[in-house]
Amino acid sequence: LAKTTQPISMDSYEGQEVNITCSHNNIATNDYITWYQQFPSQGPRFIIQGYKTKVTNEVASLFIPADRKSSTLSLPRVSLSDTAVYYCLVVKDQAGTALIFGKGTTLSVSS
Amino acid sequence: DAGVIQSPRHEVTEMGQEVTLRCKPISGHNSLFWYRQTMMRGLELLIYFNNNVPIDDSGMPEDRFSAKMPNASFSTLKIQPSEPRDSAVYFCASIELAGVNEQFFGPGTRLTVL
Repeated sequence: LAKTTQPISMDSYEGQEVNITCSHNNIATNDYITWYQQFPSQGPRFIIQGYKTKVTNEVASLFIPADRKSSTLSLPRVSLSDTAVYYCLVVKDQAGTALIFGKGTTLSVSS
Repeated sequence: DAGVIQSPRHEVTEMGQEVTLRCKPISGHNSLFWYRQTMMRGLELLIYFNNNVPIDDSGMPEDRFSAKMPNASFSTLKIQPSEPRDSAVYFCASIELAGVNEQFFGPGTRLTVL
């Protein structure tokens, strides 16, 4: 699986838009980009997954350029409760394959 | 659905003791994963099962670790004997093989080995 690189930490204020960029230069043709969120003392939670262009759900948007070597998770108007670790993963589309987690990005939202 | 259920939520034991962690996946999910999380090493995959069959156990640190999935609704991770360096949060996750690759994680078991 392709290795991912993302910032270790980010700081933001309530109401701002936060964009977390992830690099995955060696992504394969059948790989998808997936983001998980983990709050303290909880297990990771799936946020969003995409293959190319843009994907949006009720939580976030995921932007993937044509070369797919990077992706950006966009969180609109963050609140204090968005303080968490965000993991970017490259995964096989097929369910039942392992997830390889990196260090993630620790997002701290202040008032 | 109750989600993935893990027990116990917290376990404190002494070095050398046997520890058994339990996981009940979401009903209908036929793929189950065990992960371990520490500050130093982050979130690591230990082992996973598809249809109750172990697929990849290369992440199991030593022979002291073993995992079983006797049926589709139950899995155990056993450490015998336990050591202080095994202290970590152990997560179980499940997924439906026919679905999207979105894993559902349990609340974790926080293990402390003294």
